[in-house]
Formats: sequence, structure tokens, C-alpha cells
Amino acid sequence: LAKTTQPISMDSYEGQEVNITCSHNNIATNDYITWYQQFPSQGPRFIIQGYKTKVTNEVASLFIPADRKSSTLSLPRVSLSDTAVYYCLVGDRGTDKLIFGTGTRLQVFP
Amino acid sequence: DAGVIQSPRHEVTEMGQEVTLRCKPISGHDYLFWYRQTMMRGLELLIYFNNNVPIDDSGMPEDRFSAKMPNASFSTLKIQPSEPRDSAVYFCASSLGAPSDEQYFGPGTRLTVT
Repeated sequence: LAKTTQPISMDSYEGQEVNITCSHNNIATNDYITWYQQFPSQGPRFIIQGYKTKVTNEVASLFIPADRKSSTLSLPRVSLSDTAVYYCLVGDRGTDKLIFGTGTRLQVFP
Repeated sequence: DAGVIQSPRHEVTEMGQEVTLRCKPISGHDYLFWYRQTMMRGLELLIYFNNNVPIDDSGMPEDRFSAKMPNASFSTLKIQPSEPRDSAVYFCASSLGAPSDEQYFGPGTRLTVT
């Protein structure tokens, strides 16, 4: 089963842009890439989803290269409330299963 | 809508006992998912249903785990007998359409097996 890997943790300061990359070498051809945010003692919450190139919504942007083997979640001007764990979710080409990434713990400092 | 509802929020039980976790998905959602989250293994998909029918249960760890969805508004995840290694947070989620659609997660059930 292919792994979907992310950096374990990242630190940032308020107002900075944060980019979190997810590696998914074996992504299913027809599957979307979805990112979720999770706060302590809560379930994950949807942030953004894309298939290729770039997607932007009111909270984030998602960059996906042509080979789709990775994706980058971009959070502009983070605040303290963005401190959370961020997960990517993709479908695995080999098994056709949904796989969550290992998660990236983002800590935002004042 | 109240979102996905899970009960109980916390469960402490002794090894060997039966545990039943409950979930009420968002009304109108066709897909329901059960996940398990641990520090060691992260978020794992256990099983998901489409229109009350189990589609993929390959993530269910072993025969001690079973899940049912008797109707569109209720699902259960049962562990019998429970073991200490089953201690985790179990999440239920639902989505409107395909599994890759936005999933709405419940608050989770924290299970501790002693």
C-alpha cells in the first residue's frame, strides 16, 4: 500500500504564508486530492480539494503539479487559530483505497 | 442540520467486553465512513457504506470488528471482544456523493480498553 507522506511538523509566525506539501506517488488516476484540518479533540474538517493545477478558496490555495505525485497546501497570512494538524487525503491507484497522509502539525507563534 | 452525531463521546471498558459505537450521519448524505485514529497509525479508514450497503470493509482490522447500517440515519461499529490495542478515537463521517467528496466528520468516540 503506497504511503502518503507529509512533514511531521512546521512552525510559523502570525502573518506569514505557510506551504505544506504532501507526497502521493501512487495516486489514483481519477481521484481528487483533499486537505483537512484537525483541532485537538475534534474531527477533521474540509479545507480544499483539487484535481490538477491550482485551486483557491477563501481560506487556502492548493497547488498540484502536472504529474500529480505531490500537492501543496498554501495558507496565506496564518494566525494563531491556524495552529492545527493538516492532512491530505488521496485515493491510491494500486488498491483504489482512500488514504490519509501522516499529518503535519502546524504551530503558529505570535 | 446538527452535523454528524456520535455516541458515546467517551467509552472506558475492560478487555473482553463488547463495545458498540453509534453514528447518525447528516440527513441526505449517501456515504458513511468509519475511521480509527491513533498516534502510531494516524487516521485509518475502516469501512464505508453507500446507501446503507457496505462497499469496502478491507480496513476492518479483524473479525472482532463489525459494522452495520440498518437505515440511512444510523450506523454502528461493534468490537467484540475488545482488547487494549483497540484503544483509539473512532470517527464517523458522511458525504453527499462519492467517497472523494467533502466528508463531514463527527466529534469522535474516545475508546479506552483496560
